[in-house]
Amino acid sequence: QVQLQESGPGLVKPSETLSLTCAVSGYSISSGYYWGWIRQPPGKGLEWIGSIYHSGSTYYNPSLKSRVTISVDTSKNQFSLKLSSVTAADTAVYYCARLCGYDSSGRWIDYWGQGTLVTVSS
Amino acid sequence: SYELTQPLSVSVALGQTARITCGGNNIGSKNVHWYQQKPGQAPVLVIYRDSNRPSGIPERFSGSNSGNTATLTISRAQAGDEADYYCQVWDSSTAVFGGGTKLTVL
Repeated sequence: QVQLQESGPGLVKPSETLSLTCAVSGYSISSGYYWGWIRQPPGKGLEWIGSIYHSGSTYYNPSLKSRVTISVDTSKNQFSLKLSSVTAADTAVYYCARLCGYDSSGRWIDYWGQGTLVTVSS
Repeated sequence: SYELTQPLSVSVALGQTARITCGGNNIGSKNVHWYQQKPGQAPVLVIYRDSNRPSGIPERFSGSNSGNTATLTISRAQAGDEADYYCQVWDSSTAVFGGGTKLTVL
């Protein structure tokens, strides 16, 4: 059974960088699939952040691209998110996930982490 | 960028059929996926590629997609189906989500 677990600070100061890690168990990232990050502000809908392949190939939401970096560490079987210059608008539950499918026919999410709340506040 | 439109809320009587729509320009040409999210929990995939159910999802959940509208249908609605539902497509190498629909079972 594939399991994903987010970890990182629950409180980040404005203008600083938000950093989260997703530890994957039950499946080796090196074996394939894309891995991604999604966020959900309190009481609002889901927003796509970006995804990464084990080779390091990345895709980002254009609206966040200038502030986002997603990286992968296959030796630790985990991938990470960095979001710079955060503001209160970045306060959200952040989910990591595994993506199925192909670029040509569309991808979907088959496994989600439980999510972690990150609050941006001084 | 591609946009998906969902009704904010849908109500259904216990045991009846609920239909949740997801609108998008020529969405019928894309694969649509649906997620169920209960309060305080991560989303769960209930339909992928328009009409396929993952293992463990009841047959009461079905999907269709044509023209400018995709539809998630929940037959014989149960109290446990009360949740937020999100549609999703893949566009320009990114996931696009609908705004979500709150399903209330009366």
